[in-house]
Amino acid sequence: DAGVIQSPRHEVTEMGQEVTLRCKPISGHDYLFWYRQTMMRGLELLIYFNNNVPIDDSGMPEDRFSAKMPNASFSTLKIQPSEPRDSAVYFCASSSLGEGEHFGDGTRLSIL
Amino acid sequence: GENVEQHPSTLSVQEGDSAVIKCTYSDSASNYFPWYKQELGKRPQLIIDIRSNVGEKKDQRIAVTLNKTAKHFSLHITETQPEDSAVYFCAASLTYSSASKIIFGSGTRLSIRP
Repeated sequence: DAGVIQSPRHEVTEMGQEVTLRCKPISGHDYLFWYRQTMMRGLELLIYFNNNVPIDDSGMPEDRFSAKMPNASFSTLKIQPSEPRDSAVYFCASSSLGEGEHFGDGTRLSIL
Repeated sequence: GENVEQHPSTLSVQEGDSAVIKCTYSDSASNYFPWYKQELGKRPQLIIDIRSNVGEKKDQRIAVTLNKTAKHFSLHITETQPEDSAVYFCAASLTYSSASKIIFGSGTRLSIRP
């Protein structure tokens, strides 16, 4: 298996622009997680899905953030409009019930 | 909800010595405890895990222990090597529910001195 695949690996954009991060989970995993990692706040869970349904989005910082999972093999995290404080590494992870999470390589996002 | 505390935040040990990282959790129902290693600029990787029906688990130089009564679990690395330098995260979760997420500790930055 190729593991969790995220794209793009790096994104640099100007504030106010829409940013879309993409994730393909490991086939057969029914949980998908979006995390944000910064030096100041560490690893933060933003939202997670079970069987394509959002279960807990309490970590989503504000309405500018949204996430979707239209099918079992694809999810997006969207920021609109983006702000400099959104700069971070965004990780997607997937798992099966009762197992550890497998992380993608992350998207390093810089908002200028 | 679950809360996981991890200590120390930084740890420096001489190559060849042992390193111990400790975590506590708050929800006594938690039953799955994975550990992750994150090297600089890379993704967190699952290195070992333990379930609540087991008190200890070993994998070569790495071992985890779990004390359910005290709600403590620890990671032990023996004969440390330079490649062990990384940030280590403990985590806890309740895995019997479809609404299950892993709560991470704040991380320990481990440095191995040559």
